[in-house]
Amino acid sequence: DIVMTQSPDSLTVSLGERATINCRSSRTVLYSSNNKNYLAWYQQKPGQPPKLLIYWASTRDSGVPDRFSGSGSGTDFTLTINNLQAEDVAVYFCQQYYDIPYSFGQGTKLEIE
Amino acid sequence: EVQLLESGGGLVQPGGSLRLSCAASGFAFDNYAMSWVRQAPGKGPEWVSSVSGSGSNIRYADSARGRFTISRDNSKNTVFLQVSNLRADDTALYYCARVGLLVTGGARRYYYYMDVWGKGTTVTVSS
Repeated sequence: DIVMTQSPDSLTVSLGERATINCRSSRTVLYSSNNKNYLAWYQQKPGQPPKLLIYWASTRDSGVPDRFSGSGSGTDFTLTINNLQAEDVAVYFCQQYYDIPYSFGQGTKLEIE
Repeated sequence: EVQLLESGGGLVQPGGSLRLSCAASGFAFDNYAMSWVRQAPGKGPEWVSSVSGSGSNIRYADSARGRFTISRDNSKNTVFLQVSNLRADDTALYYCARVGLLVTGGARRYYYYMDVWGKGTTVTVSS
């Protein structure tokens, strides 16, 4: 099974600043035949289901502000949130969909300073 | 508006069973694979099972195989999860989610990120 490990577990950032969340997979999620990374990012606010932010490691889902960006390849990935807003307070998860069982990271809790 | 609405959760004793339902609306249901994902209190999500648009291709996590059964009724735009022989560690909020779909040259391919989620239904296993 592919294990997804996020860092840090929690993060406090000031309004207007940048937040960076890391995700590492225990083996590659880059599919060589199409050169795509099978990695997604989700945002979960309290009492709500997860919301898809990014798939293919760097493609924003429809309606997601361009303050959110994803990068990385192979086993190491980053979610960057620029110009942090109050509504970005949430837990963020990465997920690999390269292989069964599709697995999620443990989550990173983002708070505002 | 694309919507998923789960139902069927509840309190059940260890060894008991439930049938979870997810009613979909606002999209061409039979074009999409669907998944069940659960989340225990304070934990990250855990993928449980997925079914293709036609119902012919089914996938399970090891924790679900042999105890859970996913199915769908495309005439009713509904996907189901029959959960049996429940254990305390099955206690969680169970979400229904739509699987990513890419259409290229008329061919549909599923990619198992979850682009739409329901609000979930709670399953509590306790004596």
